[in-house]
Amino acid sequence: EAGVVQSPRYKIIEKKQPVAFWCNPISGHNTLYWYLQNLGQGPELLIRYENEEAVDDSQLPKDRFSAERLKGVDSTLKIQPAELGDSAVYLCASSLGGSLDEQYFGPGTRLTVT
Amino acid sequence: QKEVEQDPGPLSVPEGAIVSLNCTYSNSAFQYFMWYRQYSRKGPELLMYTYSSGNKEDGRFTAQVDKSSKYISLFIRDSQPSDSATYLCAMKRGNQFYFGTGTSLTVIP
Repeated sequence: EAGVVQSPRYKIIEKKQPVAFWCNPISGHNTLYWYLQNLGQGPELLIRYENEEAVDDSQLPKDRFSAERLKGVDSTLKIQPAELGDSAVYLCASSLGGSLDEQYFGPGTRLTVT
Repeated sequence: QKEVEQDPGPLSVPEGAIVSLNCTYSNSAFQYFMWYRQYSRKGPELLMYTYSSGNKEDGRFTAQVDKSSKYISLFIRDSQPSDSATYLCAMKRGNQFYFGTGTSLTVIP
C-alpha cells in the first residue's frame, strides 16, 4: 500500500514569491493534516481536514496561507507571498479518523525562502 | 510552558546499550500517547501507540505511560546503529495531536 505522497520534496524560492505544496493521502483516509516543522522542533498543526471540510485551521496564518482539499482526497497548501520565516519542512499526514486513529506522515516538503 | 516537554538531547550511546527516552506533559486530558521515529530528511514514522498506563512492548521497543506522574518513556533494548534518529513523543487530546521537540539519538557501532 502506498504511503502519503508529497511533492515537491524540495523547493527554493525568493521572498514574496508564491509556492504550493501537494499531498496525496493514503487511500481511504478521511482525515488529512498539514504540519509545519522547524529545525529541532516537533510538527505544529496548520490545518486539519475531515473529508473536504477544514475542521481546524486556527493555527493557519490566513493572511498568506491557504489550503484546499477538493473532493476530500488530495490537498494543496499555498503560501503567497512567502517570507523568510516560512523556511521549514511542511509535512502532510493522514489517518482513518476516530479516537484511536493513527497518523501516517509523508516525507515532507523542505522549503527554503531566500 | 509547553504542554509536552521533551529533552532534545543529543543522546549518544554505544551499540547494544539500553536507551531511555522521556517526555512529560501538563494536561491530564491527554488520552493517547505515541512515539515516532524520524530519520534525517524523512517524515515521522509511528513506532508505538498506547492509551493506558502501563507498559506496551513491541520487539526491542517498550513504551511506558504513567498518567499519575504525567510521564511517558520509550525504552530501546540492544540499540543498533540503525536506531540513530530523532524520536518524537506525541499526545492526543480530542482530535488534536501535540508533539514534543524530539530527542536526537546516535548509536555508535
